[in-house]
Amino acid sequence: AQSVAQPEDQVNVAEGNPLTVKCTYSVSGNPYLFWYVQYPNRGLQFLLKYITGDNLVKGSYGFEAEFNKSQTSFHLKKPSALVSDSALYFCAVRGWDTPLVFGKGTRLSVIA
Amino acid sequence: GAGVSQTPSNKVTEKGKYVELRCDPISGHTALYWYRQSLGQGPEFLIYFQGTGAADDSGLPNDRFFAVRPEGSVSTLKIQRTERGDSAVYLCASSAQAGAYNEQFFGPGTRLTVL
Repeated sequence: AQSVAQPEDQVNVAEGNPLTVKCTYSVSGNPYLFWYVQYPNRGLQFLLKYITGDNLVKGSYGFEAEFNKSQTSFHLKKPSALVSDSALYFCAVRGWDTPLVFGKGTRLSVIA
Repeated sequence: GAGVSQTPSNKVTEKGKYVELRCDPISGHTALYWYRQSLGQGPEFLIYFQGTGAADDSGLPNDRFFAVRPEGSVSTLKIQRTERGDSAVYLCASSAQAGAYNEQFFGPGTRLTVL
């Protein structure tokens, strides 16, 4: 069965510092990987995805993620955090013919 | 353009009652998904439609849950004999096509509270 692990419930980072939100996954076959962000009282918003090709994918709001097949990881990164990045971040994975499975989420807090 | 919309935004009901939750996907999107999100958890897949038919309903927890999409656009999630454990936020998402590489666009959700 496929699964996603987000090992950190909470990540705190100072504004202007780089941030990383970790994600590891398990799926049969090729993975299709996604990051979503959830702001308070708002729906999930798509940030970026990995389908194939370059291991470093770039997405919205300056976020990027690095796919590492050997470590089955897909960590979310941003070179310089903003206070407005504070939100709940979800990693998700699916196989070719399987439903999207989400992690439990990581709460990012960027401190001014 | 308009995103995915869901109504109502909040629904409070009593144990044993029947509820319907509505989802209006992005215009032209052929795939529609329902998820349930409990407090402190990520969304959990319930069912997805490709057009009018349910292509995968493996996430429905039991036969009290049912969903329809009769004209391939709006979908309704129906819950019979509600239980307190059904309390959660129900999310709807749509994508242009059903392929695994397509990102899903989510609505704001319906918060269901069963008293």
